[in-house]
Amino acid sequence: DSGVTQTPKHLITATGQRVTLRCSPRSGDLSVYWYQQSLDQGLQFLIQYYNGEERAKGNILERFSAQQFPDLHSELNLSSLELGDSALYFCASSGRGAPPRSDTQYFGPGTRLTVL
Amino acid sequence: AQTVTQSQPEMSVQEAETVTLSCTYDTSESDYYLFWYKQPPSRQMILVIRQEAYKQQNATENRFSVNFQKAAKSFSLKISDSQLGDAAMYFCAWGESRGGSEKLVFGKGTKLTVNP
Repeated sequence: DSGVTQTPKHLITATGQRVTLRCSPRSGDLSVYWYQQSLDQGLQFLIQYYNGEERAKGNILERFSAQQFPDLHSELNLSSLELGDSALYFCASSGRGAPPRSDTQYFGPGTRLTVL
Repeated sequence: AQTVTQSQPEMSVQEAETVTLSCTYDTSESDYYLFWYKQPPSRQMILVIRQEAYKQQNATENRFSVNFQKAAKSFSLKISDSQLGDAAMYFCAWGESRGGSEKLVFGKGTKLTVNP
């Protein structure tokens, strides 16, 4: 158990819908990362938050957005869903204490999203 | 842009034998980190080992060790005394260490089968 929790574990929805994925980092971790794992694209970095602020952006679609709340949990919002958005979405956390330098990222169990 | 290449889509090893998984990467950065993550059928991403680029000494964690060749941009993983529980997808990852952004860039993965 990495200490990172993600809900829900599975999500099935229809095209055009909007969903919210939730992540709680390990106790004390300040950074949260979101990754997408799909069969054709592999594991891709989407976005990073550090202590409530956006720190880095990767290949995140405009239909996707994220935020990190004062209690450090994070949510990834996916809207106008398409079939191609079906994937496993991972949250990871790192950075206990002052500015991390490639601190090890610990991954949650993932949310499997299926868009029908 | 940084890239990570795992040239072996699949590997197999006999139980108790040794296997080496290959990884090469491309970066212009001088300060970075490298990781191997394991993803068993449960899909959980589990950290196996981590290497700091500024360290010449190769990292080891019990039966797992790396051969880090910075000039060649090579980072292979050696698994000794392979066990059935080692069967999984193994991902090599490059970690940025700049400006507080620590995104990971992953290879496509190597599927390891352990034969009894």
